[in-house]
Amino acid sequence: DAKTTQPPSMDCAEGRAANLPCNHSTISGNEYVYWYRQIHSQGPQYIIHGLKNNETNEMASLIITEDRKSSTLILPHATLRDTAVYYCIVRVHNNAGNMLTFGGGTRLMVKP
Amino acid sequence: EPEVTQTPSHQVTQMGQEVILRCVPISNHLYFYWYRQILGQKVEFLVSFYNNEISEKSEIFDDQFSVERPDGSNFTLKIRSTKLEDSAMYFCARTKTGLGETQYFGPGTRLLVL
Repeated sequence: DAKTTQPPSMDCAEGRAANLPCNHSTISGNEYVYWYRQIHSQGPQYIIHGLKNNETNEMASLIITEDRKSSTLILPHATLRDTAVYYCIVRVHNNAGNMLTFGGGTRLMVKP
Repeated sequence: EPEVTQTPSHQVTQMGQEVILRCVPISNHLYFYWYRQILGQKVEFLVSFYNNEISEKSEIFDDQFSVERPDGSNFTLKIRSTKLEDSAMYFCARTKTGLGETQYFGPGTRLLVL
């Protein structure tokens, strides 16, 4: 899987949008962009994924640039409970190499 | 999507002892994974398991580790002779359909080896 680069930490005011960037400049055409988060020592929680189109679900929106070399996860109205480490992961969908390779992620601190 | 359940939530053991960590199955889930996270470090892949066989394993998953899902019962990770460095959070994950699909994680088991 291609590697990703994320800022180690970010702050966000409660109620504001949190925009978490991710660079994946070596992404291949068949690799998806996945986002997970981990609150304290809990199990990683799936947020969203996409291939090239922007995606939205009840948790977040994923914006992928046209060249697919970067993406942004948007939490539209951050709450204190969104404080977590957010991981951007790229991976293929096939029967080999199905592991998730976690990097250091971005530690998002939502402040009152 | 329902998450997997793991037991026990915490386990303390003596170095050299065997431990078995369990992942409670959902009947229509066929693909399982184990990951671990040493305190303060990254989440690391251990092994993937499908149709009662290991699909892939990492360098961490050496002869001290084994996985099985006997008769469709709990999906287990066994550590035969624990070492101090096995102390970590162990997470089970599953996908509902294919190996390429989204992985959903359990709450983890905190293993402490003394």
